[in-house]
Amino acid sequence: DAGITQSPRHKVTETGTPVTLRCHQTENHRYMYWYRQDPGHGLRLIHYSYGVKDTDKGEVSDGYSVSRSKTEDFLLTLESATSSQTSVYFCAISESATGSYEQYFGPGTRLTVT
Amino acid sequence: GQNIDQPTEMTATEGAIVQINCTYQTSGFNGLFWYQQHAGEAPTFLSYNVLDGLEEKGRFSSFLSRSKGYSYLLLKELQMKDSASYLCAVRDDNAGNMLTFGGGTRLMVKP
Repeated sequence: DAGITQSPRHKVTETGTPVTLRCHQTENHRYMYWYRQDPGHGLRLIHYSYGVKDTDKGEVSDGYSVSRSKTEDFLLTLESATSSQTSVYFCAISESATGSYEQYFGPGTRLTVT
Repeated sequence: GQNIDQPTEMTATEGAIVQINCTYQTSGFNGLFWYQQHAGEAPTFLSYNVLDGLEEKGRFSSFLSRSKGYSYLLLKELQMKDSASYLCAVRDDNAGNMLTFGGGTRLMVKP
């Protein structure tokens, strides 16, 4: 199994509070991704990173920011959480974004915003 | 943009064969992936197709027709542990080579 962990695994927070989710990898993969998964929508890309300090927006980036100061860590921040951000968040890693290189997913973080 | 369609749910019997279809529309097709996801767990990689034809891997096979924008995942000799969601994802080189996922097909295997 790819060495990828997420923390926390579960979090309940109130509307308007800031929240940071952490993704940590031990594989030295270049690419890291944050997805959210909601019933009826499947997995949707929030942000991704293609190297230290190199990030870009995905399909549903509004209300989220990311940072990658080290190869192994990719942080997702909700500056002011809203109930619409209640979801399961998955981090993924890959060696490359081309060819047959698949993405490996972390165990997920279940976030509830009340 | 991209549009990826899969059936929402399917039911099959243990020991049988099931085919899960995926259709897509994309401007810069650059590969199609299938993932398996058990309830409450992370998706795990099953297969990759970029050229037309069938890729076989044990009990699982995946087929691609680029001209038709169509793929299917074939599961043979179904086992109870195959009850899971199956996600189709398309890579588009006009979208930074990022993956776009379909909504997933929940497969229930019955005895």
